[in-house]
Amino acid sequence: GAVVSQHPSRVICKSGTSVKIECRSLDFQATTMFWYRQFPKQSLMLMATSNEGSKATYEQGVEKDKFLINHASLTLSTLTVTSAHPEDSSFYICSAAPWDTFGSGTRLTVV
Amino acid sequence: GIQVEQSPPDLILQEGANSTLRCNFSDSVNNLQWFHQNPWGQLINLFYIPSGTKQNGRLSATTVATERYSLLYISSSQTTDSGVYFCAVINQAGTALIFGKGTTLSVSS
Repeated sequence: GAVVSQHPSRVICKSGTSVKIECRSLDFQATTMFWYRQFPKQSLMLMATSNEGSKATYEQGVEKDKFLINHASLTLSTLTVTSAHPEDSSFYICSAAPWDTFGSGTRLTVV
Repeated sequence: GIQVEQSPPDLILQEGANSTLRCNFSDSVNNLQWFHQNPWGQLINLFYIPSGTKQNGRLSATTVATERYSLLYISSSQTTDSGVYFCAVINQAGTALIFGKGTTLSVSS
């Protein structure tokens, strides 16, 4: 079946640094990938839709300059959290169309 | 936009018990899915069920699209069923999923 690999699974970084999260479709091509954020004991909130070869579409309230998304190939999308702050600490999950395959998530802790 | 409400928010069961989780949605949808998020965060698709009834082992789901709700049934629950169950529908633009707040299930032995 379709597999989405997400790395790293856990990262701790210092405030002010940048962190890159990768989302790969392993056995299929994904022209569209989605990035979600999940705070503790809350639901998944869509941050942005990543389209291969074009700019990402961000949801209202999500800063595109802070959460940089690159979808340079049909199998890889990356999310870079720039100048991370403690309030960015969260669980980030990617998925690839047609929406039923999710990565295993990345737990980001900013100290 | 479409609103997705799930109930109950929390559920505690003894192993072997049965349960019903509910998902209400505010508008007509073409796509409804149930997911299980395990304690490590991995999301697993359980059912794609825009209408009708499906069964997979001890789990089954029913969606009544005309009345805008879906039910997830778990029978003979096991400790491995613990986690959060999410209902999700496609947004009006047809581009991404909107998740409910989930039902947290704890099954004890």
